[in-house]
Amino acid sequence: KNEVEQSPQNLTAQEGEFITINCSYSVGISALHWLQQHPGGGIVSLFMLSSGKKKHGRLIATINIQEKHSSLHITASHPRDSAVYICAAGVSKGSARQLTFGSGTQLTVLP
Amino acid sequence: EPEVTQTPSHQVTQMGQEVILRCVPISNHLYFYWYRQILGQKVEFLVSFYNNEISEKSEIFDDQFSVERPDGSNFTLKIRSTKLEDSAMYFCASSVDRGIKNIQYFGAGTRLSVL
Repeated sequence: KNEVEQSPQNLTAQEGEFITINCSYSVGISALHWLQQHPGGGIVSLFMLSSGKKKHGRLIATINIQEKHSSLHITASHPRDSAVYICAAGVSKGSARQLTFGSGTQLTVLP
Repeated sequence: EPEVTQTPSHQVTQMGQEVILRCVPISNHLYFYWYRQILGQKVEFLVSFYNNEISEKSEIFDDQFSVERPDGSNFTLKIRSTKLEDSAMYFCASSVDRGIKNIQYFGAGTRLSVL
């Protein structure tokens, strides 16, 4: 059973388009992380959310705790935004605290 | 900007050999992590480490794995007897504070190829 589900798996957009990537989770969480994985494999943390909404530049992340759902939005997309975007749920299992990762969304932004 | 450094970027080894993957976390960070990503699969948590001991570990982190902070800067992951299925990208991360509400800073990863 997948505890963290992302959609879509693949997304192709034209430069300038507004992009939404979705993440649903089936377990209670303390935090939801959005990460960006570059073509070379490196991972960069974008956001950590436990409620509400955060914005950084053209990136916006929202979370709805009741619906167990988070979205990552990219406004005015650019080819340099092309990467894999991963959500990771901070799951509390007993005394354990660890991140459970989604499968990622491969975003390609065409010029 | 401070960053997490991993070496080597690519390690090739024969099955059954021991490998040590190295990481230098950000200097004022106290919590350290190792993750694994098999090609085409999800990133998976391996282990977290604080105050010179393992804080959490996953089912993947069995007796063939060990972690160590041999000095004030390095954080290492040792695989004692590598198997073909250990081939993966291994990421080190660090955070200032403990817990899943803290931003983790990732290294660029070490690609391990077991032949």
